[in-house]
Amino acid sequence: DAGVTQSPTHLIKTRGQQVTLRCSPISGHKSVSWYQQVLGQGPQFIFQYYEKEERGRGNFPDRFSARQFPNYSSELNVNALLLGDSALYLCASSPIVRQPGTEAFFGQGTRLTVV
Amino acid sequence: RKEVEQDPGPFNVPEGATVAFNCTYSNSASQSFFWYRQDCRKEPKLLMSVYSSGNEDGRFTAQLNRASQYISLLIRDSKLSDSATYLCVVNDDYKLSFGAGTTVTVRA
Repeated sequence: DAGVTQSPTHLIKTRGQQVTLRCSPISGHKSVSWYQQVLGQGPQFIFQYYEKEERGRGNFPDRFSARQFPNYSSELNVNALLLGDSALYLCASSPIVRQPGTEAFFGQGTRLTVV
Repeated sequence: RKEVEQDPGPFNVPEGATVAFNCTYSNSASQSFFWYRQDCRKEPKLLMSVYSSGNEDGRFTAQLNRASQYISLLIRDSKLSDSATYLCVVNDDYKLSFGAGTTVTVRA
């Protein structure tokens, strides 16, 4: 069975550019969450989507946006890139909206470098 | 104050040793707790859930103290393959809150 897939795996962008990252959840999973992991830190929550609706948002600026499609795949968009946006972006899927004890399965991540 | 704080390590231990480390969390209403393992430049993977009564999974033992808002992980009989970063994770409603990770290196 395919796990969570993310694309692209690596990306280099210039400051001020825009980027779109993609995630396909595990088949049957309806919830997708996005996390940003800066080197040396733990992942930080950005968004959660369930059934195409935003269910939660972390402490990130409005330059970050996301959406979920009818097939439950998701895109994360970041506008006006800053050097500080360089990070590993992780997508996690789970079968339902987050509930206590529900395991989240992570994709391999997209490593974004802003130069 | 950070939502989840961990012993940063690094812990450098010989094969066969026991290593233990902790984390604390700030939200007393947090509902569930996990340890995830992350290998270098890879995605986090669930190691084990943590229950109030404490739980074991092979060589790994996790403890939760809700009164002190404290979680621990103990690894017995360390293997080379246990070398990784261990992330303490707290589930708050719709999101996971991660600690910065504890790095463990097991040497031959």
